[in-house]
Amino acid sequence: EAGVAQSPRYKIIEKRQSVAFWCNPISGHATLYWYQQILGQGPKLLIQFQNNGVVDDSQLPKDRFSAERLKGVDSTLKIQPAKLEDSAVYLCASGPQGFTGANVLTFGAGSRLTVL
Amino acid sequence: TQLLEQSPQFLSIQEGENLTVYCNSSSVFSSLQWYRQEPGEGPVLLVTVVTGGEVKKLKRLTFQFGDARKDSSLHITAAQTGDTGLYLCAGEGYGGATNKLIFGTGTLLAVQP
Repeated sequence: EAGVAQSPRYKIIEKRQSVAFWCNPISGHATLYWYQQILGQGPKLLIQFQNNGVVDDSQLPKDRFSAERLKGVDSTLKIQPAKLEDSAVYLCASGPQGFTGANVLTFGAGSRLTVL
Repeated sequence: TQLLEQSPQFLSIQEGENLTVYCNSSSVFSSLQWYRQEPGEGPVLLVTVVTGGEVKKLKRLTFQFGDARKDSSLHITAAQTGDTGLYLCAGEGYGGATNKLIFGTGTLLAVQP
């Protein structure tokens, strides 16, 4: 089974520029998550989708971050304008319908963003 | 807001030593997972514990879920250099129709040869 695909793997931009990350989850997985991970820390949930609907975006900085999951498959996460503190790895994960702990998340390798 | 605090934050030990990592919260979780993450990769699941007091063993790794389902521990016996990595606990919260996974603060383990 193919894993969760993310691109780009690395991105360097200057502050106030914009950036977009793409995620292709495991085929058939209904739930999709975007996490932000600062170096050496645990991932922080940004947004959770169930199919193409948003379940939780309470920790998404909506003044600069946006995410969509059209057709309930691929997802994009956009940052505009970027700030220095946005430097992090952005992890995408997917899980089967109705994640309850008996089913587990599969993570992509992440997209590392450096804001200069 | 559900928070998971891990301790210690950093741990550097010699090969062959034992160690324990703790994951604590004031919230109750329906289940708790442990992940290991290597540089440049996403977290990879090690184990899921569901029942309060549950103990699971995975070769040299022993995982325990607290009786009250608020805390967990990971014990590694005779650590090897291949155990080096970032260890993350993650609690499954009660988020409505689809539960969400809240990650702990992480424990960075370095096993020296």
